[in-house]
Amino acid sequence: EVQLVESGGTLVQPGGSLRLSCGGSGFPFNTYWMNWVRQAPGKGLEWVANTVQDGSQKYYVDSVKGRFTISRDNAKNSVYLQMNSLRVEDTAVYYCARSQMTPYGMDVWGQGTTVIVSS
Amino acid sequence: DVQMTQSPPFVSASVGDRVTITCRASQDVSTWVAWYQQMPGKAPKLLMFATSNLQTGVPSRFSGSGSGTEFTLTISGLQAEDFGTYYCQQGDSYPLTFGGGTKVDVK
Repeated sequence: EVQLVESGGTLVQPGGSLRLSCGGSGFPFNTYWMNWVRQAPGKGLEWVANTVQDGSQKYYVDSVKGRFTISRDNAKNSVYLQMNSLRVEDTAVYYCARSQMTPYGMDVWGQGTTVIVSS
Repeated sequence: DVQMTQSPPFVSASVGDRVTITCRASQDVSTWVAWYQQMPGKAPKLLMFATSNLQTGVPSRFSGSGSGTEFTLTISGLQAEDFGTYYCQQGDSYPLTFGGGTKVDVK
């Protein structure tokens, strides 16, 4: 079964750091772009970052540039999101999702992991 | 950044109705638009990619059209299981952006 499973979400104080993980199974992980998409409570979807198959290219939404870092370990079939200098507005459910190519949409999504930034 | 503007924000329709959701891009995105359905508390599900290509397993009552800046998702013959929020997303340029969503309620 093709599957993505996120982990690492928790309650963290403003200014803190957190690393989210996403493990893939049932498909050739190293042939897909990997994305992180978030959804604040009661709000719509916001793409956060993605990385190419070998991790050599990475793209971010402006609001997280310099604070978040996406990385991947194809040997472990995993993608990560290192989040530093967290803000209250980063509170959201974070999903990882795969794409064959960026313009073709994200065809498999994880169940999401919840990050709450609050004092 | 490309802004994706969806309309209407809310649709209430009966089983069997035809429902059309529109997405306008603030600049030309060619045909690089995808559509997703999200049910409450669940992850989004890809319905359509590259404007009009039906994702595997998605019923044929869903169809997509458009190019440039105007795109539509049509549900021909709404079913009870089609409730949820629908989002468009452009994949033409970074940052990737989503529309604000259209909530579909089945009467």
